[in-house]
Amino acid sequence: QQQVKQSPQSLIVQKGGISIINCAYENTAFDYFPWYQQFPGKGPALLIAIRPDVSEKKEGRFTISFNKSAKQFSLHIMDSQPGDSATYFCAANYMYSGGGADGLTFGKGTHLIIQP
Amino acid sequence: DGGITQSPKYLFRKEGQNVTLSCEQNLNHDAMYWYRQDPGQGLRLIYYSQIVNDFQKGDIAEGYSVSREKKESFPLTVTSAQKNPTAFYLCASSIVSGRPTDTQYFGPGTRLTVL
Repeated sequence: QQQVKQSPQSLIVQKGGISIINCAYENTAFDYFPWYQQFPGKGPALLIAIRPDVSEKKEGRFTISFNKSAKQFSLHIMDSQPGDSATYFCAANYMYSGGGADGLTFGKGTHLIIQP
Repeated sequence: DGGITQSPKYLFRKEGQNVTLSCEQNLNHDAMYWYRQDPGQGLRLIYYSQIVNDFQKGDIAEGYSVSREKKESFPLTVTSAQKNPTAFYLCASSIVSGRPTDTQYFGPGTRLTVL
């Protein structure tokens, strides 16, 4: 059972355009939603994250939009640049009642190419 | 420099052999994790550990084993029982504050190829 569904699998955007990646989740216990950026041959790096108590979070050119009722969240990259070409993963996490944390549940990733 | 190191970067193994992947962190993080990454599959959790001498199975633990004898180290052994071990393996660590927002920091990964 895939708990976090990510789309599209691949995306090509012209330089200066807006890149949009979408994720949907099933488990309503999730309460932390990070996005990771991964370059080829490297480990993922945290890009931006959001809690469900806010509907939008912006950091520079990167914005997360969150729709709790629809159980969906998305990453928007404004003024996309060739250096943004990478694989992007959405993820979700929650706390067990005992206070521990499990590993993140990841989407399958989106391969983004920004054409110059 | 603080961070997570994984070694080796590339590893080749013959079928039927066990192999151990190294993961070390000097971030003073309590929790450590192992993920497996396959093309088009995202990252899947193999094992995780929140404290020394304790670890839990993730979603795909079969054919793998771990140990956590030191806070800084969380080695992963890929055993001969793992039917399809060729993959990119990622180690991560985080603090444990009791909140889900504890950021996981990833190492550079080890690419394992079974010949």
